[in-house]
Amino acid sequence: DTEVTQTPKHLVMGMTNKKSLKCEQHMGHRAMYWYKQKAKKPPELMFVYSYEKLSINESVPSRFSPECPNSSLLNLHLHALQPEDSALYLCASSHPGLAGGPLRYEQYFGPGTRLTVT
Amino acid sequence: GQQVMQIPQYQHVQEGEDFTTYCNSSTTLSNIQWYKQRPGGHPVFLIQLVKSGEVKKQKRLTFQFGEAKKNSSLHITATQTTDVGTYFCAGPGGTYKYIFGTGTRLKVLA
Repeated sequence: DTEVTQTPKHLVMGMTNKKSLKCEQHMGHRAMYWYKQKAKKPPELMFVYSYEKLSINESVPSRFSPECPNSSLLNLHLHALQPEDSALYLCASSHPGLAGGPLRYEQYFGPGTRLTVT
Repeated sequence: GQQVMQIPQYQHVQEGEDFTTYCNSSTTLSNIQWYKQRPGGHPVFLIQLVKSGEVKKQKRLTFQFGEAKKNSSLHITATQTTDVGTYFCAGPGGTYKYIFGTGTRLKVLA
């Protein structure tokens, strides 16, 4: 099974709402990623979890809160978002590689959640 | 900071024509990956290159890693409508992190 699943596929939320995005993989990957992708732009890294610990936070605003409950699940909690946060949110997973060394494993992306903030 | 640029930004070709996208990094890369994202889809891994000067082929696709390991190219021979999408290169930007290139959007006219 080389599939990464994400729910929901689409989400419309107001600026005062709280919502969560979910991601799941069963490939045994111990690195999981959240990316944000605006139209016609490359994916932009937000967070990386390695072995269920937050390894990278790319200076993401605190209105985005990641969580990795176990090695298969990754959540992104959303609160008080702004309209400019509207984008495609992609989850990905991979083998983590050797600590401190370069990545050499491909990332498997989920289909994404298309988020609209009104 | 590290930058990965791709040219061209867009390319429209007639079906059957060849297509090439170029990827240039501001720093030397230990490896480089290529991904394809169909319209409305998500990035899908195509290939990884590791060695200086490495060339790999997948049917009509040819991938090359530069001798200095700072650039790479993807060449598609005789494009088909199924090749439509955006092609991204990606290089390591630190532990657990890949930097994606700016992407080349390919449109194939039947």
